[in-house]
Amino acid sequence: DAGVTQSPTHLIKTRGQQVTLRCSPISGHKSVSWYQQVLGQGPQFIFQYYEKEERGRGNFPDRFSARQFPNYSSELNVNALLLGDSALYLCASSPPSGGTTNEKLFFGSGTQLSVL
Amino acid sequence: QKEVEQDPGPLSVPEGAIVSLNCTYSNSAFQYFMWYRQYSRKGPELLMYTYSSGNKEDGRFTAQVDKSSKYISLFIRDSQPSDSATYLCAFYSGGSNYKLTFGKGTLLTVNP
Repeated sequence: DAGVTQSPTHLIKTRGQQVTLRCSPISGHKSVSWYQQVLGQGPQFIFQYYEKEERGRGNFPDRFSARQFPNYSSELNVNALLLGDSALYLCASSPPSGGTTNEKLFFGSGTQLSVL
Repeated sequence: QKEVEQDPGPLSVPEGAIVSLNCTYSNSAFQYFMWYRQYSRKGPELLMYTYSSGNKEDGRFTAQVDKSSKYISLFIRDSQPSDSATYLCAFYSGGSNYKLTFGKGTLLTVNP
């Protein structure tokens, strides 16, 4: 079975540009979460979506937005990129268990974003 | 006081050694305790998951939770070079809080 897939693998952008990252969850998983991992740090929570609704948002500016599609795939958008947005962006899905559950997240390999 | 504290290492051990990795936390609302392993250029992979205080064993791995001391540990027995990775502790409070809170990770190298 395919795991969580993310695209693109790597991305280089310049300050002020916009970027869209994509994620496909494991088949049967309805919840998708996005995390930002800066080099040398643990992942930081950005968003969680369940059944196309935003269920949680981390401490990130409004430049960050996301959505989930009817097939449960998801996109993360970041506008007006800053140098500090350079990071590994991780998508994770979690299996259904009577609603949203986060204790068992399955991560993709991430999109490495470099902002120059 | 930081919500989660994890010694970033790096930690270098010979093959076959017992490895002890630790995290402390300050948020009493945390109910779920996890350890993730992250290889270079990969996403984190769930290793161990516990709900309450006590020990949980899975093969060469043992997770230990002491909620009274707000301290969790991961022990790796008979460590192998393939265990070389970054180990992240993670915490989840459950309910309407949807985020996992991660430590910074400890970089472990097991030398053949």
